[in-house]
Amino acid sequence: GAGVSQSPSNKVTEKGKDVELRCDPISGHTALYWYRQSLGQGLEFLIYFQGNSAPDKSGLPSDRFSAERTGGSVSTLTIQRTQQEDSAVYLCASSLVAASTKNIQYFGAGTRLSVL
Amino acid sequence: GESVGLHLPTLSVQEGDNSIINCAYSNSASDYFIWYKQESGKGPQFIIDIRSNMDKRQGQRVTVLLNKTVKHLSLQIAATQPGDSAVYFCAENSGGSNYKLTFGKGTLLTVNP
Repeated sequence: GAGVSQSPSNKVTEKGKDVELRCDPISGHTALYWYRQSLGQGLEFLIYFQGNSAPDKSGLPSDRFSAERTGGSVSTLTIQRTQQEDSAVYLCASSLVAASTKNIQYFGAGTRLSVL
Repeated sequence: GESVGLHLPTLSVQEGDNSIINCAYSNSASDYFIWYKQESGKGPQFIIDIRSNMDKRQGQRVTVLLNKTVKHLSLQIAATQPGDSAVYFCAENSGGSNYKLTFGKGTLLTVNP
């Protein structure tokens, strides 16, 4: 596609439910990233994929958070047993290659998650 | 821990004026910096980047200045327009990482007509 696509754009869920957020990166981009942005805050790194593998999961806040990427393309971020503090905008980005000092990450519009 | 921060959280300018948004970074090992613009309801949009072997880089109406001595980064926007109103983030490649970016909290730029 022309840009990074994320779905859904908005998600409202009840506390304790599981949610899945989807990211479709720019075609040909091998690196994919998930960030979380809380209200009025900067971006918090969650996880990075190179191809289908995740060399760095250090930003995942707890074991309720997991992500996978299949076919070197689409990625899904799953939050189990959601809590109110999980409410945020979840942003996905992709870049052509990660192994470079010049690493422009292109972002999707994000999924706004609200946990009631 | 080391992090990227901003001097001014908000900046209000008149249309046609030049804008300067500042950013301080503390990780001396970082060697690549990016400015992003984020409009309401949208994801961050790449504006301009600079490597640590440069002091200045110019784009269309934007200039990024890097002062490694004091670990300071700035974004200059010439002839600011209402469409420039947004939150601007600086980001550094965390300690020279080839993939991880550390973002500052952002500066809200408001352009008054």
